Amino acid sequence: DAGITQSPRYKITETGRQVTLMCHQTWSHSYMFWYRQDLGHGLRLIYYSAAADITDKGEVPDGYVVSRSKTENFPLTLESATRSQTSVYFCASIPQGLNTEAFFGQGTRLTVV
Amino acid sequence: ILNVEQSPQSLHVQEGDSTNFTCSFPSSNFYALHWYRWETAKSPEALFVMTLNGDEKKKGRISATLNTKEGYSYLYIKGSQPEDSATYLCASQGAQKLVFGQGTRLTINP
Repeated sequence: DAGITQSPRYKITETGRQVTLMCHQTWSHSYMFWYRQDLGHGLRLIYYSAAADITDKGEVPDGYVVSRSKTENFPLTLESATRSQTSVYFCASIPQGLNTEAFFGQGTRLTVV
Repeated sequence: ILNVEQSPQSLHVQEGDSTNFTCSFPSSNFYALHWYRWETAKSPEALFVMTLNGDEKKKGRISATLNTKEGYSYLYIKGSQPEDSATYLCASQGAQKLVFGQGTRLTINP
């Protein structure tokens, strides 16, 4: 299916565990982003990527790692999950050079217990 | 890091009334200003993307304006309806980043 998909949709993990959230887009958009939804903060930028092998920190990168070996995939890894990382995570993409909106995945609801 | 601010944080409006809210953003390294409508448990839905100073866009009862020199954008909703209840997010796109404000939560009272 065309679009941007996130997996899993729901995840419960224990404190201290490593967990990876997947994001896959079928359009070959250059720019990809990871956000977390926090009450009172809207969407906060964790990491972003301008192209394959180019990633950079956003507003709240601590405790997260990303990679982008292929244009279509942008996984987000929590190296050692903490309760404060309980949130809904959204992945988004934008094509390069066009004044178009960001396209969002469905979100991943992560609970750290 | 871009600093995007939205006001007010929340707003209650009577059905049929018109309303507006503000997004302010740094005018340096500006590329585009986005507006999204966001309902709980759903992904944000794009309303507008604006790039030029003085831009005005309209979609039905919703419109937006952009002032890139002073770094602000307004979103207007005319004749509010209950289905307009949602959180409205703006985001500033600069260089390679897309940074969101904290949102304005709009509730329409019937």
